[in-house]
Amino acid sequence: GENVEQHPSTLSVQEGDSAVIKCTYSDSASNYFPWYKQELGKGPQLIIDIRSNVGEKKDQRIAVTLNKTAKHFSLHITETQPEDSAVYFCAASETSYDKVIFGPGTSLSVIP
Amino acid sequence: DAEITQSPRHKITETGRQVTLACHQTWNHNNMFWYRQDLGHGLRLIHYSYGVHDTNKGEVSDGYSVSRSNTEDLPLTLESAASSQTSVYFCASRGQGSNSPLHFGNGTRLTVT
Repeated sequence: GENVEQHPSTLSVQEGDSAVIKCTYSDSASNYFPWYKQELGKGPQLIIDIRSNVGEKKDQRIAVTLNKTAKHFSLHITETQPEDSAVYFCAASETSYDKVIFGPGTSLSVIP
Repeated sequence: DAEITQSPRHKITETGRQVTLACHQTWNHNNMFWYRQDLGHGLRLIHYSYGVHDTNKGEVSDGYSVSRSNTEDLPLTLESAASSQTSVYFCASRGQGSNSPLHFGNGTRLTVT
């Protein structure tokens, strides 16, 4: 089955700096790669996703890149703000409605 | 507004007892999922369902069962609770469309003593 790895497990950045989280996946059948943000005491929420036919996607301060050959994908947050502090999960799925396998998460702290 | 609710939010039970966690969604989604969240492991898939009377095992299904008698509900049962099942449990649902994200509940924190 699919296995998703994620690094780093914790990340501290100064407000205004960029943050990068990297993931790898094992199953070449995976074609859908969502990213979720989890705030304390809540369930994860989708922040951005990318499909295998796209190499990069941006949404304001957030961007994701995908290298399907290397089975790598990354989340980039620019101009970080204190409200970006949360746990971020990368994930992989064969389709956009199939079961989703998550990475172990990255705890991001943005220091004011 | 459509939502997904889990109950109870917190539960303490003893080893060996049967426990059922409830999950109810008003999105009318066919696909529903149960995950457990543990430090260092992220979210691990326990069971999932693609529709009424359909159930499938996930990564960590041993000791758990689910049943799907209607679209809205997917209860998770721990047949004989063990201390290793102390965790935070999340239910999620998603539609069939290509742009349908997973919608999560707010979780149930289960402690097995």
